[in-house]
Amino acid sequence: EDKVVQSPLSLVVHEGDTVTLNCSYEVTNFRSLLWYKQEKKAPTFLFMLTSSGIEKKSGRLSSILDKKELFSILNITATQTGDSAVYLCAVFTTDSWGKLQFGAGTQVVVTP
Amino acid sequence: EAGVAQSPRYKIIEKRQSVAFWCNPISGHATLYWYQQILGQGPKLLIQFQNNGVVDDSQLPKDRFSAERLKGVDSTLKIQPAKLEDSAVYLCASSVTWDRGPSDYGYTFGSGTRLTVV
Repeated sequence: EDKVVQSPLSLVVHEGDTVTLNCSYEVTNFRSLLWYKQEKKAPTFLFMLTSSGIEKKSGRLSSILDKKELFSILNITATQTGDSAVYLCAVFTTDSWGKLQFGAGTQVVVTP
Repeated sequence: EAGVAQSPRYKIIEKRQSVAFWCNPISGHATLYWYQQILGQGPKLLIQFQNNGVVDDSQLPKDRFSAERLKGVDSTLKIQPAKLEDSAVYLCASSVTWDRGPSDYGYTFGSGTRLTVV
């Protein structure tokens, strides 16, 4: 059975701190790993990673994939209160007909 | 480009009642997905349509859930009768086509419908 596990489940940080979120996966026929930010209800896309060792960056957010060890990391530097959200990791496989397999998410709270 | 539209935004019903959710995908998107997200969990796929045909409904509780996508555009998801454990956010998403994967090819989520069954 395919599994996507995120850690930690939740964390509280102060503005300006750096946050590291983890996502490990065990799936057959891996194709890509995606990170989403969910503030209210609609998950919004952050990154898609398909190749190992390549870092994707967007402003203060960055992510890297390790296909050998089957995990990904999402980093947020110089956190702001607007970064407070649930961060979801999802995996897309070649035989899933477009279905995304999600982890449970990490709840991040950034305090002023 | 208009996003994925869903309605209603909130719904509260008593157990054993029925409820329906509506989704209008992004224009031109052939693939439509319904996900269920229970509090504290990640979204789980219920059903996937390619145009007006079902591609995957393996996790849809077919004794109480049904969905259709007439004319290959908008879609409705129905629950009848509802149970307490159906309380969740129901997310609709669409993509250009399933085999080109999400995100870079416009896999976009709607704002969802929050269902509370009491």
